Amino acid sequence: GQNIDQPTEMTATEGAIVQINCTYQTSGFNGLFWYQQHAGEAPTFLSYNVLDGLEEKGRFSSFLSRSKGYSYLLLKELQMKDSASYLCAVPLGSNYQLIWGAGTKLIIKP
Amino acid sequence: EPEVTQTPSHQVTQMGQEVILRCVPISNHLYFYWYRQILGQKVEFLVSFYNNEISEKSEIFDDQFSVERPDGSNFTLKIRSTKLEDSAMYFCASSWTANQPQHFGDGTRLSIL
Repeated sequence: GQNIDQPTEMTATEGAIVQINCTYQTSGFNGLFWYQQHAGEAPTFLSYNVLDGLEEKGRFSSFLSRSKGYSYLLLKELQMKDSASYLCAVPLGSNYQLIWGAGTKLIIKP
Repeated sequence: EPEVTQTPSHQVTQMGQEVILRCVPISNHLYFYWYRQILGQKVEFLVSFYNNEISEKSEIFDDQFSVERPDGSNFTLKIRSTKLEDSAMYFCASSWTANQPQHFGDGTRLSIL
């Protein structure tokens, strides 16, 4: 079966840095996506890592280690609007359908 | 920026009734998906669709479910005889190629009474 694990909830302070981890054990691997989901809304794309290493995109960075089955999302200079759930997902199958982790709810405190 | 649109935003239906959820994917996208998210749970894959046919489906997508692309723009999900456990948020997504990020609609909240 497929297994994607994330912490359920994390709390951080406005202006700080937070790292959200994701570990996966899947029957195949075509990279790993990170999505942001505000409560009651659709997931929105943040990043896609296919190769090992760190990819930086503004305040958000994502890291992948295929040998360890591990990824993390790094959020810098946290803002209140970053309060959301962060979902990691592995695309599988011929059409790269997404298999999702349960998401990490990030709470930002002033 | 082009977006995926879904209608209705909220559907309330009696158990046993049929529902059709509608989606208009981004116009030049070729791959289409349906996902669902039961309240408080993770997003789950239902079905993928390419070249006018189902490519893959999950165990959730049983005989009660069907998808259709009746014209060049719409992509629909039909549930023939709804059950209480079908209550969820249903998301449609599309992508230009399989290995590109999927873009999601705002979802249809389906409530079965």
